Amino acid sequence: DAKTTQPPSMDCAEGRAANLPCNHSTISGNEYVYWYRQIHSQGPQYIIHGLKNNETNEMASLIITEDRKSSTLILPHATLRDTAVYYCIVRVASNAGNMLTFGGGTRLMVKP
Amino acid sequence: KAGVTQTPRYLIKTRGQQVTLSCSPISGHRSVSWYQQTPGQGLQFLFEYFSETQRNKGNFPGRFSGRQFSNSRSEMNVSTLELGDSALYLCASSEGTGPTGELFFGEGSRLTVL
Repeated sequence: DAKTTQPPSMDCAEGRAANLPCNHSTISGNEYVYWYRQIHSQGPQYIIHGLKNNETNEMASLIITEDRKSSTLILPHATLRDTAVYYCIVRVASNAGNMLTFGGGTRLMVKP
Repeated sequence: KAGVTQTPRYLIKTRGQQVTLSCSPISGHRSVSWYQQTPGQGLQFLFEYFSETQRNKGNFPGRFSGRQFSNSRSEMNVSTLELGDSALYLCASSEGTGPTGELFFGEGSRLTVL
């Protein structure tokens, strides 16, 4: 699976949009972009995933650049409960299994 | 629907001992995977089981092993414990082999080796 690069930490004001970038310049055509987050002392939680189109669900939006070399996770109205480590992962679209390669992630701190 | 359940949540062992951790996946999920999380190495994939067969294995020594039962419940075992095995061990389940299926993680088992 392709490697991802994320900033180690970011701050965001409560109520504002949090935009978390991810670089995956070596992504292959059959690899999906996944986002998970981990709130302190809990297991990671799935947020969203996409292949090449932008995606939105009740938690967040995922914007993938046209060349697919980078993406941005957007939390439209960040709350204090969104403080967590956010992981961007690329994953081969095959039936080879559910092995995820986690990088260091971005520690998002939402401040009042 | 109940989530992924891991037991025990916390345990303390001494070097040289062995430990067995248990994971009950979400009902209907047939894939169970295990991850180790440490402050130094982050989250690392250990292995994955699907329909009682190991499908993938991470880069861990043979002291780490696992199995899956016919009801999809899984156990992992670590023998001859070392101090460096102190970690949060996470189990995740998903419905099957589909590449776009999301993984559901449990709360983890925190192992301390003294």
